[in-house]
Amino acid sequence: QVQLVESGGGVVQPGSSLTLSCAASGFSFSSYVMYWVRQAPGKGLEWVALIWSEGNKKFYSDAVKGRFTISRDNSNNTLYLHMNSLRVDDTAVFYCARDRTLKNWGQGTLVTVSS
Amino acid sequence: SYVLTQPPSVSVAPGQTAKITCAGDHLETQSVHWYQQRPGQAPVLVVYDDSDRPSGIPERFSGSNSANTATLTISRVEAGDEADYYCQVWDRRSEHVVFGGGTKVTVL
Repeated sequence: QVQLVESGGGVVQPGSSLTLSCAASGFSFSSYVMYWVRQAPGKGLEWVALIWSEGNKKFYSDAVKGRFTISRDNSNNTLYLHMNSLRVDDTAVFYCARDRTLKNWGQGTLVTVSS
Repeated sequence: SYVLTQPPSVSVAPGQTAKITCAGDHLETQSVHWYQQRPGQAPVLVVYDDSDRPSGIPERFSGSNSANTATLTISRVEAGDEADYYCQVWDRRSEHVVFGGGTKVTVL
């Protein structure tokens, strides 16, 4: 069955960097567009970034453009989100999801940005 | 930027029908997807492309989209349907994914 497992979250200080990973299994990873979506505590879902199946096109929300970079390793079935210049308002659970319909989601990894 | 507007909350008695709306400019020209998120859990896709249901989603969940408003309908509501529901589209103009603000469904 489809599995998406996020990792890499933790507590960091404002201005720090952090890289999240999403390990995929149970489907042909290289055939699917992949997404990062986040959810701040008590708030709604917020799209962060997406990457086409071959990694040749990437899109970002205005809130993270220029600070975050989405990438993928199709040979290792892994999606990444490299986050720079983290701010307190980046604190959220980060989910990875697959397919244009966000058909499957991981369980999320919590990123806390605090001094 | 494109905005999707949902009511913050909807209350419904067990066995009745809940309707959750999602409004946006020219929404009828877009494909709308709906997600259910129970407390402490990841979102689950319940309707995609306006009205299609993924395998495993009960027929009680249905969707429609016309005249700037998409609607998720939950028939014969059960206690387990209590959750937050989000609509979502891909805005071709801005090349952004857009989520509605979410609607909390309370089963009375």
